Amino acid sequence: DTGVSQDPRHKITKRGQNVTFRCDPISEHNRLYWYRQTLGQGPEFLTYFQNEAQLEKSRLLSDRFSAERPKGSFSTLEIQRTEQGDSAMYLCASSLADNTYEQYFGPGTRLTVT
Amino acid sequence: GQNIDQPTEMTATEGAIVQINCTYQTSGFNGLFWYQQHAGEAPTFLSYNVLDGLEEKGRFSSFLSRSKGYSYLLLKELQMKDSASYLCAVLNDYKLSFGAGTTVTVRA
Repeated sequence: DTGVSQDPRHKITKRGQNVTFRCDPISEHNRLYWYRQTLGQGPEFLTYFQNEAQLEKSRLLSDRFSAERPKGSFSTLEIQRTEQGDSAMYLCASSLADNTYEQYFGPGTRLTVT
Repeated sequence: GQNIDQPTEMTATEGAIVQINCTYQTSGFNGLFWYQQHAGEAPTFLSYNVLDGLEEKGRFSSFLSRSKGYSYLLLKELQMKDSASYLCAVLNDYKLSFGAGTTVTVRA
């Protein structure tokens, strides 16, 4: 296992369309995080899973956003009715529950909403 | 709330030393991290401080003072490949709160 992977790497969509991103964490990591990063800013926390349980959602995660981790392995992040303000890099990270201090980030999915 | 401040940009010469300061005011603290991020790539872990003092890892060192809410990242013997954004982040339970990043440009 070479690290956290995300798919797709780039996504261009029209306003109002739905998009779904996938994250595959490092295989033995039971914690998974989603962050969003806009140009010139640091990543902002969106949500967090321990195994299949979603334990926290940021206020940034409106009701158009939903995340799942159905079998405690990969995760998906869906954005419904996309808006131009959703354009950002969506980063996934994973860690071990007993080693939370080191989160390993994936390469991100860059979303552009036109 | 979380407030993490770091300079926007710094420029230095190849072979020199640069120090990136970070100040923070956060509702909780379980450690301070520095990440390096090249344009269009994922952040990569550089260092972690949970106790006061200096942590050294090769050309990179990081310092923490919890009472002052202050950290710095020291980059020595700068190389061109060190040109990147450097992110200061505070861990509170499991969540990382990031600063906006400091873009370091290394000139020949």
